[in-house]
Amino acid sequence: SYELTQPPSVSVALGQTASISCGGNNIGTKSVNWYQQKPGQAPALVIYRDYNRPSGIPERFSGSNSGNTATLTISGAQAGDEADYYCQLWDSSGFFGGGTKLTVL
Amino acid sequence: QVQLVESGGGVVQPGRSLRLSCAASGFTFSSYAMHWVRQAPGKGLEWVAAISHDGSDKFHGDSVKGRFTISRDNSKNTLYLQMNSLRAEDTAVYYCARAGNSVRDWLDTWGQGTLVPVSS
Repeated sequence: SYELTQPPSVSVALGQTASISCGGNNIGTKSVNWYQQKPGQAPALVIYRDYNRPSGIPERFSGSNSGNTATLTISGAQAGDEADYYCQLWDSSGFFGGGTKLTVL
Repeated sequence: QVQLVESGGGVVQPGRSLRLSCAASGFTFSSYAMHWVRQAPGKGLEWVAAISHDGSDKFHGDSVKGRFTISRDNSKNTLYLQMNSLRAEDTAVYYCARAGNSVRDWLDTWGQGTLVPVSS
């Protein structure tokens, strides 16, 4: 089993930068994906393979992964970015982090 | 366009069985690995199961191993999840999701989900 640890909540002022961490043992050696889920909606991919953005995802979304922490960064956060964010990886089976609720103040 | 539509959810009693389906359209279904992910009410995402593009490799999470079985019919562009011996803690919205060529790949397309309440 592989445990992924995320902070339950993160707050950011409108237009500022938010960072959401995802901790795991030597996670830097694995490929991490990030999903955004808004209330009442299915999750949607925002970052894949650590730092790649799918088409249609704004450049303000970026990712990094090193050591024991992967990070999703949202630069210039907007009200529409308010959502739950989940990290995920594959390590002989699938694993999700517990999720982080992003609040844009 | 690429679309996944789940069906088969509904209220089921503890100990009973249910089969979920996920109909795929807009892409070559047989070329993609597929996953099931669930979300209990008010909780986070939980990975349930995955299957390779040709059905030869199947993986199940510890909480459902021995009770749930993932399968697919590429001739019908449909993914399935057979759920047996259901428990109250299996109550969740179940999503199907498309991966890439490998089960290890990211989940780039999700269905809208189907709700399975397990209750007597």
